[in-house]
Amino acid sequence: AQKITQTQPGMFVQEKEAVTLDCTYDTSDPSYGLFWYKQPSSGEMIFLIYQGSYDQQNATEGRYSLNFQKARKSANLVISASQLGDSAMYFCAMRGVSGNTPLVFGKGTRLSVIA
Amino acid sequence: EAQVTQNPRYLITVTGKKLTVTCSQNMNHEYMSWYRQDPGLGLRQIYYSMNVEATDKGDVPEGYKVSRKEKRNFPLILESPSPNQTSLYFCASRRRTSGGDFQETQYFGPGTRLLVL
Repeated sequence: AQKITQTQPGMFVQEKEAVTLDCTYDTSDPSYGLFWYKQPSSGEMIFLIYQGSYDQQNATEGRYSLNFQKARKSANLVISASQLGDSAMYFCAMRGVSGNTPLVFGKGTRLSVIA
Repeated sequence: EAQVTQNPRYLITVTGKKLTVTCSQNMNHEYMSWYRQDPGLGLRQIYYSMNVEATDKGDVPEGYKVSRKEKRNFPLILESPSPNQTSLYFCASRRRTSGGDFQETQYFGPGTRLLVL
């Protein structure tokens, strides 16, 4: 079974600053995928970034990067140059070795960007 | 446009009155699932389906039913809703993958906010 832990219920960041959202995971699967989703106040779930457990390099997508430390079982999301529109809930999720196992989510971190 | 649609988006009902939330995707995805989102608990999977006529329970299936008669549709049925089923519900779909292929993005519908009085 997989488990995702997000220890920060809420975070504040100044506009234009970088922020790191923490995510640790637990799994016995030898290979897995890690995902981050953004949920703005409107409610939809927006896919941000993906990291495979065997990927050699950390994933990046525009202002988003994933700081993947496999030995520590952490997959932190880094948002550079925060914008007011980044204010949202952020969920870390993972999926295990079988391609048809469900996506398991953490409880989320609410990020507030301050002008 | 590739999308997952859900209807209704908002619903207020009373205890015991059967309701159905529809979900449809236009991407020919094999895998579809339902989640509920509650404050402080994140998203939890209710049911999933790997293809037509193939459904299985997720983590919180009690009080829900699903069906998958067509590939594009995956309705969620609450036969006798109760107040503890007040929640935000998401339908999601993705292409079915073979073992070791995890990158397939899961597409989410816009969500259905349900209030059971």
